[in-house]
Amino acid sequence: GAGVSQSPSNKVTEKGKDVELRCDPISGHTALYWYRQSLGQGLEFLIYFQGNSAPDKSGLPSDRFSAERTGGSVSTLTIQRTQQEDSAVYLCASSPWTSGSNEQYFGPGTRLTVT
Amino acid sequence: AQSVTQPDIHITVSEGASLELRCNYSYGATPYLFWYVQSPGQGLQLLLKYFSGDTLVQGIKGFEAEFKRSQSSFNLRKPSVHWSDAAEYFCAVGSFTGGGNKLTFGTGTQLKVEL
Repeated sequence: GAGVSQSPSNKVTEKGKDVELRCDPISGHTALYWYRQSLGQGLEFLIYFQGNSAPDKSGLPSDRFSAERTGGSVSTLTIQRTQQEDSAVYLCASSPWTSGSNEQYFGPGTRLTVT
Repeated sequence: AQSVTQPDIHITVSEGASLELRCNYSYGATPYLFWYVQSPGQGLQLLLKYFSGDTLVQGIKGFEAEFKRSQSSFNLRKPSVHWSDAAEYFCAVGSFTGGGNKLTFGTGTQLKVEL
């Protein structure tokens, strides 16, 4: 079946502009995660959605970052007033909710470059 | 807070040789442990995982890992490396909360395979 998809695959933006990154999880997966992969910080957790529960935003680095998940499926990560340190690969993952196994399936990522 | 240490940034092995990638974790309870592989320009692919039970776990592509609680380690092994195994490998520990697993990743080990 189809895996996690992300769009765009690459995004170049000017400092100060807003960007939106999209994630389409695997159908039927109730959990959705965003991570960021950068040279300086490695792989970092950003935010997590589980069903209709309030999202876990504990990894968001600043209030310029926000995310939503509409209809329990597609998610959008928004970065406002982008800074050069936001340049990174943004990875989305989804997983089925089971009590014992929460294997995460990752998308190919969106490479964001802030100039 | 949990953490993961991968002490080897780069490893080079000859094709056909055995491989061991080291991973040490810090976590207050029984950990959920994962190994992921990332090829250039690709997302993360799960190799194997440990939740409980048998401490030697088998994964895809001929990989295995052994959980050693006394050493807080979860080293990845492969008896005979293939050139296609060249990639970056990430160890991760999951913080299971609210039905999801927030992953904390190590900094990764870049594997080079010499023909």
